[in-house]
Order: sequence, then structure tokens, then C-alpha cells
Amino acid sequence: DTGVSQDPRHKITKRGQNVTFRCDPISEHNRLYWYRQTLGQGPEFLTYFQNEAQLEKSRLLSDRFSAERPKGSFSTLEIQRTEQGDSAMYLCASSRVGAYTGELFFGEGSRLTVL
Amino acid sequence: GQNIDQPTEMTATEGAIVQINCTYQTSGFNGLFWYQQHAGEAPTFLSYNVLDGLEEKGRFSSFLSRSKGYSYLLLKELQMKDSASYLCAVGNYGQNFVFGPGTRLSVLP
Repeated sequence: DTGVSQDPRHKITKRGQNVTFRCDPISEHNRLYWYRQTLGQGPEFLTYFQNEAQLEKSRLLSDRFSAERPKGSFSTLEIQRTEQGDSAMYLCASSRVGAYTGELFFGEGSRLTVL
Repeated sequence: GQNIDQPTEMTATEGAIVQINCTYQTSGFNGLFWYQQHAGEAPTFLSYNVLDGLEEKGRFSSFLSRSKGYSYLLLKELQMKDSASYLCAVGNYGQNFVFGPGTRLSVLP
């Protein structure tokens, strides 16, 4: 399978705990995006990388959220001191600079439940 | 910033045609995208418009008017499997993409 993969697919945690999600993009894609989606809503942009550089971060994102892409391949999204409002599906997507449309290819998502 | 609006829900009958509208306000973009998302699954790319006009792709067509800040997705010969959410997104390809709230389409027999 050469699609975008995310791990874990489901995470249940208690309020105040830290969680980390991993995303492996399609291998030739140099752009990687993180989105958050709650039920009945469209994906909400969090941040994106080109190679290892984090080019944009949503102003809605609190300091509890941090993302890395250290070698320009996989990425991690960490949420510190989780709150119940962080419960959502966290979607990773990748794209290739120079592609005709640059459309996003999404992973299956990591569903977070904060108790 | 960008503000995108879509109807929340639509219902149509199998075999019919349905048009899903999207209006947006943005300070500049290079493309308008449509994605399909089945319940519990990831969004998948459907179409892309960069110029004004209609892009046809099988049963699906998408239209863009940049001057009016308006797009629509046209689905023909509806099938039960077309029941899904349809997401409109604006973006400068290769940069940030902003998604609308999505339209949940139910196709009835």
C-alpha cells in the first residue's frame, strides 16, 4: 500500500495526558498537512510542511499543539495536556509540489477521544 | 482570510441530477477543489477548477465563477453510493487549503 498512513487509528486518553500521532505520507510527496475534523464539519487546517520546513501554522492552534517533520518524510503531531475539546479526527494529507492540481491525498485519520 | 459556505444537507433520488453550491470569500486563490467523503472515511479528490467555466469528469462536473465567488458540483445519474459529504475547498495549489463545512447528500431509492 503506497497511500498515506496514520498511526494510531484510535486513541482514548484521559484529560491532561499527552498524545502523539504519526503520519507517513506518499513517498514522493514533499508537502504534508495536518487537519482536524469534528462530526458534521469540514476539515480544519492545523499546519503544513514542505519537506522538513513548517511553512504555516493555524492561529487557532494553541501552544499545546506541536508538529514536526524532522527528515522531510514522516511527521508527528503532539498534543500536550489534552482537553475534552481536543476530541476529533486528526487527518494527515500529502501532496506533490509541481503536480498539475496539487490535490491532497488523505490518510484514514487518527480518532482522538479525551475523557 | 477565507469564508466558505455550503448547504448543510441535500436529498435526491437515485438516477436524478443534483447540484451542490459553494460560495466563498477569499483574498486570492489559485484553485477550487471538490472532495467526497463517505461516513467514517477520509476525503477523496473529485475535481479541480482554476479557470472560470465547467470541468466535466464522467458523471461529475464542477463549475467556477471567480468574479462571483461561486462554484457548484453537478452529479448526474445519481447512485446510492453517491451518498456522502461533499467538501468544497479553496487553495493555492501547494499551499494551504481551506475547506468548507461540507454538504451531506442522501440518495434515496
